Amino acid sequence: DADVTQTPRNRITKTGKRIMLECSQTKGHDRMYWYRQDPGLGLRLIYYSFDVKDINKGEISDGYSVSRQAQAKFSLSLESAIPNQTALYFCATSYGGLEEQFFGPGTRLTVL
Amino acid sequence: GQQVMQIPQYQHVQEGEDFTTYCNSSTTLSNIQWYKQRPGGHPVFLIQLVKSGEVKKQKRLTFQFGEAKKNSSLHITATQTTDVGTYFCAGLNKGGADGLTFGKGTHLIIQP
Repeated sequence: DADVTQTPRNRITKTGKRIMLECSQTKGHDRMYWYRQDPGLGLRLIYYSFDVKDINKGEISDGYSVSRQAQAKFSLSLESAIPNQTALYFCATSYGGLEEQFFGPGTRLTVL
Repeated sequence: GQQVMQIPQYQHVQEGEDFTTYCNSSTTLSNIQWYKQRPGGHPVFLIQLVKSGEVKKQKRLTFQFGEAKKNSSLHITATQTTDVGTYFCAGLNKGGADGLTFGKGTHLIIQP
């Protein structure tokens, strides 16, 4: 969905490097989410935010941190990347907690 | 924590055959959502079920929510090549306070 953008779309990095993935949305939604997708494991929630001052850990938050700089921006950081963080990362947004989520195009991250 | 199991993991069908994927939650859900992800794409919302025993239809797709609000199914009648992709169920509980918990998805492969 063009209303939710992610940068970069692809990234190759080395073990130990700090990486930031960025997500922006023009939908005016209050809630934003970061997911990780691995083959055979589906989508797993890393962090989510219900507004600018709210950050919540998801199922697999270890090794990740997030920042909600504004209602429209939600960034995911890997402080010291490791190979098992190689995955496809999706940002998503929703209006309220019971509504559909709109996903960005994804960022494919490879950690060597 | 909440777990959402989805079966089968893969389903091969001949074009024109029917397809069903099943979803079971370890806890009672507030709502359940279904998403479709085309190969190389991002998840796209299909539908949300809210009421116990609810059945909704979208053309050849039929969605059901169990009476106990712990299971759901998606049935596609007379599959077409455009149905190829991965179908995910995702459960919400606690009014959406914990975000979505996704099943691992069912990959639908259609042979012409």
